[in-house]
Amino acid sequence: GQNIDQPTEMTATEGAIVQINCTYQTSGFNGLFWYQQHAGEAPTFLSYNVLDGLEEKGRFSSFLSRSKGYSYLLLKELQMKDSASYLCAVMDSNYQLIWGAGTKLIIKP
Amino acid sequence: NAGVTQTPKFRVLKTGQSMTLLCAQDMNHEYMYWYRQDPGMGLRLIHYSVGEGTTAKGEVPDGYNVSRLKKQNFLLGLESAAPSQTSVYFCASSSAPGGEGDGFDEQYFGPGTRLTVT
Repeated sequence: GQNIDQPTEMTATEGAIVQINCTYQTSGFNGLFWYQQHAGEAPTFLSYNVLDGLEEKGRFSSFLSRSKGYSYLLLKELQMKDSASYLCAVMDSNYQLIWGAGTKLIIKP
Repeated sequence: NAGVTQTPKFRVLKTGQSMTLLCAQDMNHEYMYWYRQDPGMGLRLIHYSVGEGTTAKGEVPDGYNVSRLKKQNFLLGLESAAPSQTSVYFCASSSAPGGEGDGFDEQYFGPGTRLTVT
């Protein structure tokens, strides 16, 4: 079966760095996405990786290792507005997204 | 550009009632999707469409029907609502995935419909 695993909840301090991990087992691979979802709102796109390595976009970076079925999202200089759920999703061989349950990130002052 | 819009935002139904959720997008996207989101679970695909006049089943299609008569609209119907269909429903749209250019196309989501079935 297809499976995406990520921690349920993480806590970090304002100004610090946090890494959210995602491991996956899917039927085929056409890229991995990270989305941010604030409580009561829609998911919004953060990043996309299809090749191994690190993609940096401002305070956010995303890493992929296809051989290990592993990705992480790195958030630097955390701000209170980063308190949200972070969703990992893999595009399978049918070009459909398989979603993890999300990681709720709590930022403390 | 409004992006992706959904109506209604909230709805309470009694078991056995029917309703239609409307999704509209103004980005000329070919692909449209209906997901449900439940606590502790990832988004699950109900039905999707790869173009006007087409629909296909996703992971959890039972109890739902869809129609895509116009490119910009994607309707989700519940013929006889059940308490198990209590959920938050999200519509999304995208250009054809795996296409040219960057090789990916992100999905754009509507604000969601919170449905309670009693």
